[in-house]
Amino acid sequence: GAGVSQSPSNKVTEKGKDVELRCDPISGHTALYWYRQRLGQGLEFLIYFQGNSAPDKSGLPSDRFSAERTGESVSTLTIQRTQQEDSAVYLCASSSYSLSGNTIYFGEGSWLTVV
Amino acid sequence: LAKTTQPISMDSYEGQEVNITCSHNNIATNDYITWYQQFPSQGPRFIIQGYKTKVTNEVASLFIPADRKSSTLSLPRVSLSDTAVYYCLVAEGDSSYKLIFGSGTRLLVRP
Repeated sequence: GAGVSQSPSNKVTEKGKDVELRCDPISGHTALYWYRQRLGQGLEFLIYFQGNSAPDKSGLPSDRFSAERTGESVSTLTIQRTQQEDSAVYLCASSSYSLSGNTIYFGEGSWLTVV
Repeated sequence: LAKTTQPISMDSYEGQEVNITCSHNNIATNDYITWYQQFPSQGPRFIIQGYKTKVTNEVASLFIPADRKSSTLSLPRVSLSDTAVYYCLVAEGDSSYKLIFGSGTRLLVRP
Protein backbone atom coordinates (compact mmCIF):
# COMPACT_ATOMS: atom_id res chain seq x y z
CA GLY A 1 0.00 0.00 0.00
CA ALA A 2 0.87 3.65 -0.17
CA GLY A 3 1.05 4.25 3.56
CA VAL A 4 2.26 2.62 6.75
CA SER A 5 0.05 -0.33 7.60
CA GLN A 6 -0.38 -1.75 11.09
CA SER A 7 -2.14 -4.83 12.36
CA PRO A 8 -4.16 -5.62 14.29
CA SER A 9 -5.93 -2.29 14.51
CA ASN A 10 -7.47 -3.33 17.82
CA LYS A 11 -6.44 -6.03 20.27
CA VAL A 12 -7.95 -6.96 23.61
CA THR A 13 -5.88 -9.42 25.58
CA GLU A 14 -5.83 -10.88 29.04
CA LYS A 15 -3.18 -9.87 31.51
CA GLY A 16 -0.20 -12.19 31.28
CA LYS A 17 -0.67 -13.11 27.64
CA ASP A 18 1.83 -12.27 24.90
CA VAL A 19 0.92 -10.04 21.96
CA GLU A 20 2.53 -9.32 18.62
CA LEU A 21 1.97 -6.11 16.72
CA ARG A 22 2.92 -5.86 13.07
CA CYS A 23 4.03 -2.91 10.97
CA ASP A 24 4.40 -2.74 7.19
CA PRO A 25 6.33 0.44 6.37
CA ILE A 26 6.21 2.44 3.18
CA SER A 27 8.14 0.58 0.51
CA GLY A 28 11.75 1.71 0.31
CA HIS A 29 11.80 3.49 3.65
CA THR A 30 14.97 2.55 5.45
CA ALA A 31 14.04 3.80 8.91
CA LEU A 32 11.20 2.40 11.00
CA TYR A 33 9.99 3.63 14.39
CA TRP A 34 7.75 2.39 17.15
CA TYR A 35 6.02 4.79 19.54
CA ARG A 36 3.57 4.24 22.35
CA GLN A 37 0.81 6.66 23.20
CA ARG A 38 -1.33 6.29 26.27
CA LEU A 39 -4.78 7.85 26.33
CA GLY A 40 -4.48 11.62 26.41
CA GLN A 41 -0.69 11.52 26.51
CA GLY A 42 2.08 12.38 24.09
CA LEU A 43 4.12 10.02 21.96
CA GLU A 44 6.66 7.90 23.81
CA PHE A 45 9.59 6.77 21.68
CA LEU A 46 10.24 3.04 21.95
CA ILE A 47 12.72 1.97 19.29
CA TYR A 48 13.87 2.66 15.78
CA PHE A 49 15.42 0.53 13.06
CA GLN A 50 17.89 1.57 10.44
CA GLY A 51 17.58 -1.26 7.96
CA ASN A 52 17.23 -4.37 10.09
CA SER A 53 19.35 -3.04 12.92
CA ALA A 54 18.14 -1.28 16.04
CA PRO A 55 21.01 0.99 17.14
CA ASP A 56 19.20 2.16 20.25
CA LYS A 57 16.84 0.05 22.31
CA SER A 58 16.88 2.29 25.37
CA GLY A 59 13.30 3.44 24.84
CA LEU A 60 11.80 0.01 25.39
CA PRO A 61 9.96 0.18 28.75
CA SER A 62 11.07 -3.19 30.06
CA ASP A 63 12.56 -6.52 29.02
CA ARG A 64 9.04 -7.72 28.27
CA PHE A 65 9.18 -5.58 25.14
CA SER A 66 11.13 -6.62 22.07
CA ALA A 67 11.10 -5.75 18.41
CA GLU A 68 12.59 -7.06 15.24
CA ARG A 69 12.66 -6.13 11.61
CA THR A 70 13.35 -8.39 8.68
CA GLY A 71 14.11 -7.80 5.02
CA GLU A 72 14.38 -4.08 5.77
CA SER A 73 10.60 -4.16 5.67
CA VAL A 74 8.12 -5.65 8.12
CA SER A 75 8.62 -5.12 11.84
CA THR A 76 7.07 -6.89 14.79
CA LEU A 77 6.75 -5.47 18.29
CA THR A 78 6.25 -8.19 20.88
CA ILE A 79 5.03 -7.65 24.40
CA GLN A 80 5.37 -10.61 26.70
CA ARG A 81 3.32 -11.20 29.84
CA THR A 82 1.21 -8.14 29.20
CA GLN A 83 0.24 -5.87 32.07
CA GLN A 84 -2.62 -3.42 32.33
CA GLU A 85 -0.21 -0.49 32.08
CA ASP A 86 0.70 -1.72 28.60
CA SER A 87 -2.72 -0.59 27.38
CA ALA A 88 -2.09 2.09 24.79
CA VAL A 89 -1.98 2.70 21.08
CA TYR A 90 1.24 1.53 19.51
CA LEU A 91 2.19 3.65 16.52
CA CYS A 92 4.60 2.66 13.81
CA ALA A 93 6.23 5.13 11.45
CA SER A 94 8.70 4.96 8.61
CA SER A 95 10.93 7.43 6.83
CA SER A 96 13.60 7.83 4.25
CA TYR A 97 16.17 10.53 4.80
CA SER A 98 16.71 12.98 1.97
CA LEU A 99 18.42 16.30 1.44
CA SER A 100 15.23 18.05 2.49
CA GLY A 101 15.21 16.37 5.85
CA ASN A 102 13.71 13.34 7.47
CA THR A 103 9.94 13.20 7.16
CA ILE A 104 8.27 10.35 8.96
CA TYR A 105 4.89 8.92 8.12
CA PHE A 106 2.74 7.22 10.70
CA GLY A 107 0.33 4.35 10.56
CA GLU A 108 -3.04 4.50 12.27
CA GLY A 109 -1.82 2.48 15.22
CA SER A 110 -2.63 -0.74 17.00
CA TRP A 111 -4.90 -0.16 19.96
CA LEU A 112 -4.02 -2.55 22.75
CA THR A 113 -6.25 -3.12 25.75
CA VAL A 114 -5.07 -5.42 28.52
CA VAL A 115 -7.87 -6.63 30.79
CA LEU B 1 14.58 15.29 28.68
CA ALA B 2 12.35 16.69 25.99
CA LYS B 3 14.12 18.39 23.12
CA THR B 4 11.26 20.81 22.54
CA THR B 5 8.97 22.99 24.61
CA GLN B 6 5.50 24.02 23.48
CA PRO B 7 2.46 25.52 25.17
CA ILE B 8 0.23 22.79 26.52
CA SER B 9 -2.93 24.24 25.01
CA MET B 10 -4.31 27.13 22.96
CA ASP B 11 -7.79 28.36 22.19
CA SER B 12 -8.88 30.18 19.07
CA TYR B 13 -11.96 31.03 17.03
CA GLU B 14 -12.88 30.13 13.50
CA GLY B 15 -11.32 32.39 10.91
CA GLN B 16 -8.46 33.55 13.11
CA GLU B 17 -4.78 33.03 12.49
CA VAL B 18 -3.11 30.77 15.03
CA ASN B 19 0.58 30.85 15.84
CA ILE B 20 2.12 28.07 17.92
CA THR B 21 5.70 28.58 19.04
CA CYS B 22 8.13 25.83 19.92
CA SER B 23 11.43 26.28 21.76
CA HIS B 24 14.38 24.08 20.87
CA ASN B 25 17.41 25.68 22.47
CA ASN B 26 19.74 22.74 21.86
CA ILE B 27 19.03 22.32 18.16
CA ALA B 28 22.00 20.93 16.28
CA THR B 29 23.44 22.23 13.04
CA ASN B 30 22.07 19.38 10.97
CA ASP B 31 18.64 19.23 12.62
CA TYR B 32 15.43 20.01 10.79
CA ILE B 33 12.23 21.22 12.40
CA THR B 34 9.04 19.38 11.60
CA TRP B 35 5.47 19.88 12.72
CA TYR B 36 2.82 17.19 12.94
CA GLN B 37 -0.92 17.26 13.52
CA GLN B 38 -2.78 14.55 15.37
CA PHE B 39 -6.52 14.01 15.61
CA PRO B 40 -8.00 11.71 18.25
CA SER B 41 -7.71 8.03 17.40
CA GLN B 42 -5.39 8.72 14.46
CA GLY B 43 -1.66 8.65 13.86
CA PRO B 44 0.18 11.98 13.57
CA ARG B 45 0.17 13.60 10.15
CA PHE B 46 3.02 15.64 8.63
CA ILE B 47 2.23 19.34 8.23
CA ILE B 48 5.43 21.18 7.37
CA GLN B 49 9.19 21.01 7.68
CA GLY B 50 11.95 23.60 7.58
CA TYR B 51 15.57 24.36 8.34
CA LYS B 52 15.72 28.15 8.48
CA THR B 53 13.83 31.35 7.57
CA LYS B 54 10.33 30.72 6.25
CA VAL B 55 8.59 27.80 4.64
CA THR B 56 5.04 27.88 3.32
CA ASN B 57 2.78 25.21 1.92
CA GLU B 58 -0.91 24.92 1.22
CA VAL B 59 -1.88 24.44 4.85
CA ALA B 60 0.62 26.34 7.01
CA SER B 61 3.70 28.51 7.29
CA LEU B 62 6.76 27.86 9.40
CA PHE B 63 8.88 30.73 10.67
CA ILE B 64 12.38 30.02 11.95
CA PRO B 65 14.60 32.85 13.25
CA ALA B 66 18.28 33.07 12.44
CA ASP B 67 19.41 31.43 15.68
CA ARG B 68 16.98 28.50 15.08
CA LYS B 69 16.32 28.17 18.80
CA SER B 70 12.61 28.42 18.22
CA SER B 71 10.07 28.04 15.46
CA THR B 72 6.50 29.18 14.93
CA LEU B 73 3.80 27.25 13.13
CA SER B 74 1.24 29.59 11.61
CA LEU B 75 -2.20 28.33 10.65
CA PRO B 76 -4.15 30.91 8.63
CA ARG B 77 -7.90 31.23 9.13
CA VAL B 78 -8.44 28.15 11.26
CA SER B 79 -11.63 26.14 11.11
CA LEU B 80 -13.26 23.78 13.58
CA SER B 81 -11.56 20.87 11.85
CA ASP B 82 -8.16 22.24 12.85
CA THR B 83 -8.86 21.27 16.47
CA ALA B 84 -6.08 18.79 17.15
CA VAL B 85 -2.76 18.29 18.91
CA TYR B 86 0.24 19.84 17.18
CA TYR B 87 3.71 18.45 17.74
CA CYS B 88 6.99 20.20 17.08
CA LEU B 89 9.80 17.78 16.33
CA VAL B 90 13.54 18.30 16.08
CA ALA B 91 15.92 15.57 15.00
CA GLU B 92 17.95 14.01 17.82
CA GLY B 93 21.64 14.90 17.92
CA ASP B 94 23.85 13.72 15.12
CA SER B 95 21.44 11.04 14.08
CA SER B 96 18.37 12.16 12.27
CA TYR B 97 16.74 8.83 12.97
CA LYS B 98 16.00 9.00 16.68
CA LEU B 99 13.02 11.30 16.66
CA ILE B 100 11.69 12.35 20.05
CA PHE B 101 8.35 14.09 20.26
CA GLY B 102 7.51 16.70 22.89
CA SER B 103 4.21 16.89 24.68
CA GLY B 104 2.43 18.78 21.93
CA THR B 105 -0.01 21.68 21.92
CA ARG B 106 -3.74 21.02 22.11
CA LEU B 107 -5.47 23.55 19.88
CA LEU B 108 -9.18 24.09 20.37
CA VAL B 109 -10.98 26.07 17.69
CA ARG B 110 -14.32 27.46 18.79
CA PRO B 111 -17.22 28.58 16.57
